[in-house]
Amino acid sequence: EVQLVESGGTLVQPGGSLRLSCIVSGFSFSKYDMHWVRQATGKGLEWVAAISTAGDTYYRGSVKGRFTISRENAKNSLYLQLNSLRAGDTAVYFCARGGEGYYAMDVWGQGTTVTVSS
Amino acid sequence: DIQMTQSPSSLSASVGDRVTITCRASQSISSYLNWYQQKPGKAPKLLIYGSSSLQSGVPSRFYGSGSGTHFTLTINKLQPEDFATYYCQQSYSSLMYSFGQGTKVEIK
Repeated sequence: EVQLVESGGTLVQPGGSLRLSCIVSGFSFSKYDMHWVRQATGKGLEWVAAISTAGDTYYRGSVKGRFTISRENAKNSLYLQLNSLRAGDTAVYFCARGGEGYYAMDVWGQGTTVTVSS
Repeated sequence: DIQMTQSPSSLSASVGDRVTITCRASQSISSYLNWYQQKPGKAPKLLIYGSSSLQSGVPSRFYGSGSGTHFTLTINKLQPEDFATYYCQQSYSSLMYSFGQGTKVEIK
């Protein structure tokens, strides 16, 4: 069974840091691009970052320089390092697989919640 | 950055109705347009990729069309399990993706 499981979400103070993890199973992780998408409570989906199979990274403007996406193929793991956190980063963070069909995100994790508050 | 605009933001419909949601891109994205369904408290689910290709396991009452900058998602004979929020998303711009703001389909 193809599965993505996120972890690492918690309550953190403004300016703080956090690392999210996404462990995958059921497919050849190294062969797929991977994404992080977030959703604030009651709001829409917001693409955050992506990493290609070659390790190239891409970010939305509001997180560039603060967030770092990485992958460890030997551990079937995707990461998102969140630094200089702001209240506006509060959201459920989903990891998703970039599929082969027009690069759509075809498999999603259940999400992990990040709350930035003092 | 490519901006995606969906309309309407919400709609009310009855079981058995046909529903159409529109998505426009700020520039041409060819057919690199995908549709997702999300229910409260759940992860999004891919419905349609490449503007019109049905993801495996998705009922055929879901239909996508369009190219360039104008796209539509049509749900024929709306079922109770179809009441959810739908998002379009472009995958044209080299892993720099963006979503529409979502369309909530509610029961009339």
